[in-house]
Order: sequence, then C-alpha cells, then structure tokens
Amino acid sequence: NAGVTQTPKFQVLKTGQSMTLQCAQDMNHNSMYWYRQDPGMGLRLIYYSASEGTTDKGEVPNGYNVSRLNKREFSLRLESAAPSQTSVYFCASRRDSTNYGYTFGSGTRLTVV
Amino acid sequence: GENVEQHPSTLSVQEGDSAVIKCTYSDSASNYFPWYKQELGKRPQLIIDIRSNVGEKKDQRIAVTLNKTAKHFSLHITETQPEDSAVYFCAANPNDYKLSFGAGTTVTVRA
Repeated sequence: NAGVTQTPKFQVLKTGQSMTLQCAQDMNHNSMYWYRQDPGMGLRLIYYSASEGTTDKGEVPNGYNVSRLNKREFSLRLESAAPSQTSVYFCASRRDSTNYGYTFGSGTRLTVV
Repeated sequence: GENVEQHPSTLSVQEGDSAVIKCTYSDSASNYFPWYKQELGKRPQLIIDIRSNVGEKKDQRIAVTLNKTAKHFSLHITETQPEDSAVYFCAANPNDYKLSFGAGTTVTVRA
C-alpha cells in the first residue's frame, strides 16, 4: 500500500516547454487534488476531481490542465511552462465527502528557467 | 471563496513551553478544520482535526479548539519538544470537496 505516488520528484524545464506531472493513489479514494506550495503562501489549489469523470478549477488554474484518467490517476499538465510556475507541487487524495483529511504525495519540485 | 488567515507566521519557543497557533476563516458554511504538520522537505501530514459539532479535541500533547461564532480555531502544543519543529498549516472546507489552507506557521523549538 503505497498511498499517493507522484512522479517525477524533481524537474527542471526551460520556459515554453511542456510536461505532465503524474499522480496515482491506491487507497480507492474518490477525490483527488493538485496543490502548489510557494514560500509564505501556503498550499493553493490548482484543480481538483471530486470523483472519477469530473474536474473543477481551484484558486490558481491558469496555465494548467488536468486529466482524471481513472479512479487511481490524476495528472497535471503544463502546456507552456513559465518561471512563475516554479514551485513545489503536491497531489492529494481523500476518500469521500465526509470530511476525512487529505493524504498527500511526496511532492514534485519544479524549476522553470 | 473561503479565506483562511493564520497567525503568527513564525513562532520560536523554548523546549517544554507551549505553542499556540491561531486561524480565522470567512465562510460560515465551513464545518471541518484540520491541521497539518510539514517537516522540512517532507509532505504535509494530518495531525489533528475538528468538526463543527465539537468545541475542543485533544490528542496527547496537541489540542484544537473551535469557536464557530467568532469563526476562529487554534492549535495548542504543550510541553514542546525539538521534533515539534516544523511548519504547521490550518485549513477549512468551503464545500464538501476541497480545503482552503492558511499560509503556515514555522515553529522552532529551542533546546
């Protein structure tokens, strides 16, 4: 039981390049989330998927797209990376809407130069 | 949307003393308030949570209090130890599916 697995752990991109961050959970959770973490700003929600087949925007969705591939997997895509997207990205999952806490992945540290 | 404010942003305490972190939220519909601890370079981990139908919850050296009327909740750590040094985040749920987080408090426990 691995919990929430994110890949890659580190990535350096040039401005304008694209990439996809992968996230998978093996806990049969319904809801999945992508957050970014920047110094002094806490965790800000990019996109979330309340259940398989649905996705919704969070606080900071511009420049990102997501895909809920199946119940286990939720990917985040940067189509044209910008230096402002340099951040640590966390994927998280939650069992259902009865207010159980999130389980976070180990994070992806992304640098855009 | 929900706005969660967290204070202080940094907190330095002597080992053995208590630490208190306070958060306020704006959306009166929020009914779930978790606290996460993040050690350097690690993922956030849930340490305690409280629901709106209770005013206080305790788990060993940590406790959380909630005042729904005033829309604020607090984390209390007693008898602090060096391993309590970390960043702590509060959060509130503006709906059933997502959490809004505070900006975090960096706690340093001095030996």
